[in-house]
Amino acid sequence: QKEVEQDPGPLSVPEGAIVSLNCTYSNSAFQYFMWYRQYSRKGPELLMYTYSSGNKEDGRFTAQVDKSSKYISLFIRDSQPSDSATYLCAITTNAGKSTFGDGTTLTVKP
Amino acid sequence: NAGVTQTPKFQVLKTGQSMTLQCAQDMNHNSMYWYRQDPGMGLRLIYYSASEGTTDKGEVPNGYNVSRLNKREFSLRLESAAPSQTSVYFCASSKGQVTYEQYFGPGTRLTVT
Repeated sequence: QKEVEQDPGPLSVPEGAIVSLNCTYSNSAFQYFMWYRQYSRKGPELLMYTYSSGNKEDGRFTAQVDKSSKYISLFIRDSQPSDSATYLCAITTNAGKSTFGDGTTLTVKP
Repeated sequence: NAGVTQTPKFQVLKTGQSMTLQCAQDMNHNSMYWYRQDPGMGLRLIYYSASEGTTDKGEVPNGYNVSRLNKREFSLRLESAAPSQTSVYFCASSKGQVTYEQYFGPGTRLTVT
């Protein structure tokens, strides 16, 4: 079993929809939770970062962490065609070692 | 501020050939990483360097070696390339110790025939 499991997708939604992207993890040593966005043929770029349970909002994006359930989510409100990309969750130990999910590919149709 | 740069962008090797992938960062980060990304398999850590002068194996180190040349530069060497090493290779860096979000380079697309 992988340490980080990400809903595989792909997801296709109409413009303006709310998108939910999800990951689960098994290792309680994970302390830091990140979401990266990767456009086709580009390197991943950091989208959001948190280390505590609860919600963190940044514009149209909300990262949610539930440490008791070992579950993290990224919500995108009012999705736009420019949000079409692969989204990767990454979970990191105190020693700085990150484990990535396999990614969910999102397409937002105009 | 270029961030993380990688060279080359593309490379084709024959089985058994060797090559070095170069990575440099200008953000004064302590930690650097090498990943490979294969279709449907996400990012897998090959090697990382928590700080200048140290390197450690990641999830898939076999067939690779690394050198942390100085704080800015971290190279990845394939001594005898195999078709299974066909992949996209990403270098990343992070401040480390205090915060672990990583900044990625644009990647090197390597094909081994």
